[in-house]
This record gives sequence, structure tokens and C-alpha cells, in this order.
Amino acid sequence: EVQLVESGGGLVQPGASLKLSCVASGFTFSDYWMSWVRQTPGKTMEWIGDIKYDGSYTNYAPSLKNRFTISRDNAKSTLYLQMSNVRSEDTATYYCTPGYFDFWGPGTMVTVSS
Amino acid sequence: DIQMTQSPSSMSASLGDRVTITCQASQDIGNNLIWFQQKPGKSPRPMIYYATNLANGVPSRFSGSRSGSDYSLTISSLESEDMADYHCLQYKQYPWTFGGGTKLELK
Repeated sequence: EVQLVESGGGLVQPGASLKLSCVASGFTFSDYWMSWVRQTPGKTMEWIGDIKYDGSYTNYAPSLKNRFTISRDNAKSTLYLQMSNVRSEDTATYYCTPGYFDFWGPGTMVTVSS
Repeated sequence: DIQMTQSPSSMSASLGDRVTITCQASQDIGNNLIWFQQKPGKSPRPMIYYATNLANGVPSRFSGSRSGSDYSLTISSLESEDMADYHCLQYKQYPWTFGGGTKLELK
């Protein structure tokens, strides 16, 4: 059974940094591109970016490219999202998803507020 | 970026109704579009891949179609379990982009 478990969210102050993790199981993690997607409290969904199966290439939404970094550790079947200089508009639930969005974890919520 | 204009943003319908939700792409996306269903408090669930292909386990009352740059999700006979938010996503060109979402409620 495929499982994706995101973690690392919480309440953070504007300007802070935060690193989210996604632990995957039930499939060969190293065979798949992985994406991060977020959903605002108003339910709007935004693709953040993705990373090639071997970690050698990434794509990002242009508006987030300068502050967000995606990485992975295939030995640990774990995907990461490093967020820097967070803003109130980064408040959202963050999801990781493999391939063509076949499976989704429960997400981890990030709230940016002073 | 490719803009996906989804309509309506919300709608109410009765059980047994035929319901159609549409995403209009600002550029050619081929059929590289996924429809997701999301129930309250749950994660998105892919319903239709490549614009017209039903995902595993999705009831046959759901269907996807394309007319030019308009992509539609149709529920042929609405059931109570279909009340949810629906989202479209294009994956033809980076950055991949979502529509604004449709909230489907019971009338």
C-alpha cells in the first residue's frame, strides 16, 4: 500500500525558514519524479515544483523559485521542501505526490503568522 | 504560464442531475489534464487522467471530455457521495497549473 506522510509544518513567524519532509513507502521511491503541491485555506491549489527521480533536476513555480528548494534522499525514501523567508501567503497545507499525482498524503499545515 | 480558467466556482445541484464542470486552457495542453475530487478534510483524489481516462475505481457516471481548449468533467447522475470540490490540473508545460476549483453542493 502506498503511503506518503508529510511532516514539519506548524506555526512560524514571517521571515523564518522551515523544512518539510515527506516519507514515502509502498512503491519504489527512486523510480519516481516527486512533486510538492500546496492548498490555501481558501482551497486554491498551487503546484510548487518537482524533482527528478535521481535528484538531478528540479522545476519550480516561478513565483516560488527564489525561496523554495526541493531535494530528496532516495536511501531514506524521503522528499524535502526547504522554505525560506516565509510570508503570510505561504499559509497552506503542503502535500507531496509522486508521478502524475496518483497518490497523496494527508498533508502538513504551515501557518505563517506573528 | 498556462492559465486554467475553471467554471463554475461553485454550484448546487439535485440528486440525479447531470453536472458539468469546465476548465478552459489559455494555450494548447493537448489532453494533458487531470481532474481531482476532494472531499472535506481529505486529500485530492485523481478521477480522470489525460482528459478522458477514468482512474481506477472511479464510478462510470464520471466522464471527461474535450472541445477545443475546453475540458469538461461530467457526472451523468449526481449522487450524494459526489458532493466535493473538483480541481483540474494541466501538465503539458511547466509550471504545471491548477484551475481555481469548483465547489459542488447539494441543492
